[in-house]
Amino acid sequence: DAGVIQSPRHEVTEMGQEVTLRCKPISGHNSLFWYRQTMMRGLELLIYFNNNVPIDDSGMPEDRFSAKMPNASFSTLKIQPSEPRDSAVYFCASSLGRNREQYFGPGTRLTVT
Amino acid sequence: SQKIEQNSEALNIQEGKTATLTCNYTNYSPAYLQWYRQDPGRGPVFLLLIRENEKEKRKERLKVTFDTTLKQSLFHITASQPADSATYLCATNRDDKIIFGKGTRLHILP
Repeated sequence: DAGVIQSPRHEVTEMGQEVTLRCKPISGHNSLFWYRQTMMRGLELLIYFNNNVPIDDSGMPEDRFSAKMPNASFSTLKIQPSEPRDSAVYFCASSLGRNREQYFGPGTRLTVT
Repeated sequence: SQKIEQNSEALNIQEGKTATLTCNYTNYSPAYLQWYRQDPGRGPVFLLLIRENEKEKRKERLKVTFDTTLKQSLFHITASQPADSATYLCATNRDDKIIFGKGTRLHILP
């Protein structure tokens, strides 16, 4: 298995632009998580899906952030408009259930200038 | 407030010794604790899970303990090697979510 796949690996954009991060979970996993990691705040859960349905998005910082999971093999995290404070590494993870071990992707390093 | 805390100071251990990392939680009772390893530029990798009714879990050179009285989990690496150098994160469930500590950076000195 290829593991969790994320794209792009690096993204540099200007403030105000739309950013879309993509994730392909491990086949057969029914839970998918989006995290943001910074030095200051560590690893923060943004949103998680169970069977393609968003269960908890209370970690999404504001309305500029949105996430979708149109099918079991694909999810997106969108930031519109982006701001410099959104600069971070964004991870996607999947698991066989919410309380099971998670498998993380390599992350997307986002820089907003 | 409900918190999960790890020692933010880096830990330097001589090769061959046992490294012990600490994860403390306050104001709630998690059903389990997980430990992950993270190398620079990579995503966390799952190592061990221990449930609230388990005192100890082992995997090769790794050992995790869970003390619900002290509200603490200890993560041990025996016979440490330079390749064990990484950041180690603990994670627990809280209000139906999973939260991570900020991690402890471990350096194994040759």
